[in-house]
Amino acid sequence: DAKTTQPNSMESNEEEPVHLPCNHSTISGTDYIHWYRQLPSQGPEYVIHGLTSNVNNRMASLAIAEDRKSSTLILHRATLRDAAVYYCILRALNAGGTSYGKLTFGQGTILTVHP
Amino acid sequence: GAGVSQSPSNKVTEKGKDVELRCDPISGHTALYWYRQRLGQGLEFLIYFQGNSAPDKSGLPSDRFSAERTGESVSTLTIQRTQQEDSAVYLCASSLAHGYNEQFFGPGTRLTVL
Repeated sequence: DAKTTQPNSMESNEEEPVHLPCNHSTISGTDYIHWYRQLPSQGPEYVIHGLTSNVNNRMASLAIAEDRKSSTLILHRATLRDAAVYYCILRALNAGGTSYGKLTFGQGTILTVHP
Repeated sequence: GAGVSQSPSNKVTEKGKDVELRCDPISGHTALYWYRQRLGQGLEFLIYFQGNSAPDKSGLPSDRFSAERTGESVSTLTIQRTQQEDSAVYLCASSLAHGYNEQFFGPGTRLTVL
């Protein structure tokens, strides 16, 4: 399976933008890029996903490099509630890929938000 | 609305005992997943169900671990003869179908084996 690399930790101040990077240099053409986050003492929650084009939703934006070897999750205005572990995950588009369906979590990035 | 629920929220057991962990997925979700999270680690995939069948059990760590799902709804994860290394948070997730984009996670069951 293609692997992702994320910084162990990042810090931000409240109400400032946060850019969380993820490297996935061995991504295949049929892998989606997914982001989940896990707040303290909770199960993970879906944030956003994309394939090639940049994506926006109510929680965040996902910027995908043109060669798809890296991506950045953007929180436009961090709040204290955004303090969590953020996971960048590759998922196969097609059934038959070993990463289809199930999520393979790495260590993620621990985001600390300062008031 | 009702999300994924898991019970118990906490379970303390003695080494060698059997435990059963329960997951109630979101109604109508045909795919159900079990993951394990050891302290300070990311989640490890254990098994998934499509309906009542388990096409992928590749993550189950040993034959002491088993899981079943009935009525395309509730699932139970059973760990026999628990060991201290089984201590972890066991998380369940469901999605509309296998491979569907979003998985919804429950709060987990924290298992401590003394």
